[in-house]
Amino acid sequence: DARVTQTPRHKVTEMGQEVTMRCQPILGHNTVFWYRQTMMQGLELLAYFRNRAPLDDSGMPKDRFSAEMPDATLATLKIQPSEPRDSAVYFCASGLANDRDEYTEAFFGQGTRLTVV
Amino acid sequence: AQKVTQAQTEISVVEKEDVTLDCVYETRDTTYYLFWYKQPPSGELVFLIRRNSFDEQNEISGRYSWNFQKSTSSFNFTITASQVVDSAVYFCALGRNSGYALNFGKGTSLLVTP
Repeated sequence: DARVTQTPRHKVTEMGQEVTMRCQPILGHNTVFWYRQTMMQGLELLAYFRNRAPLDDSGMPKDRFSAEMPDATLATLKIQPSEPRDSAVYFCASGLANDRDEYTEAFFGQGTRLTVV
Repeated sequence: AQKVTQAQTEISVVEKEDVTLDCVYETRDTTYYLFWYKQPPSGELVFLIRRNSFDEQNEISGRYSWNFQKSTSSFNFTITASQVVDSAVYFCALGRNSGYALNFGKGTSLLVTP
């Protein structure tokens, strides 16, 4: 049963600490998306990668957030330093893009619930 | 600019009732995609449907059906004979021509009671 796996599922950290969230996309998928869900803003696209290269990270606060794909099986989203306003559920999703840059539907992981106190 | 509006914040129905969730979108793109996702109380996002802007055919999948009308920029979702397990937050989303969801509505919380 192929699925996107996110770790940790829950994270509580103190303000100023570094937080790293991990995502294992579905094997064979070449696109990874990071979304954030908050009560105020709803669901927002932060960034996405295709073939491990960042294609769009315009939704991500650049000063403290960074996203990488060290290899095809791992995507990371890092916040340093974390702030209380970063408290949210962070979703990773993966999909498959063809040569015409058309994507299949994205399958979401279960999310990482981050609380910064 | 792209925008998705789900005017219904919360809906409560009794089991076996039919319910329609409204979605209105704004875009200047000629090619775009529309999505519906379900978020049950457990929190994950479950993909339900993706529809290309050139395909206005309505779709039915079991108890679920979707009505896409470009003339009114709407992509409404109907659940027939609702069940308690349908209780969830449902999100409508809009994507550009690449086909991934970019703009989400605020969601409609559906509660189905026995």
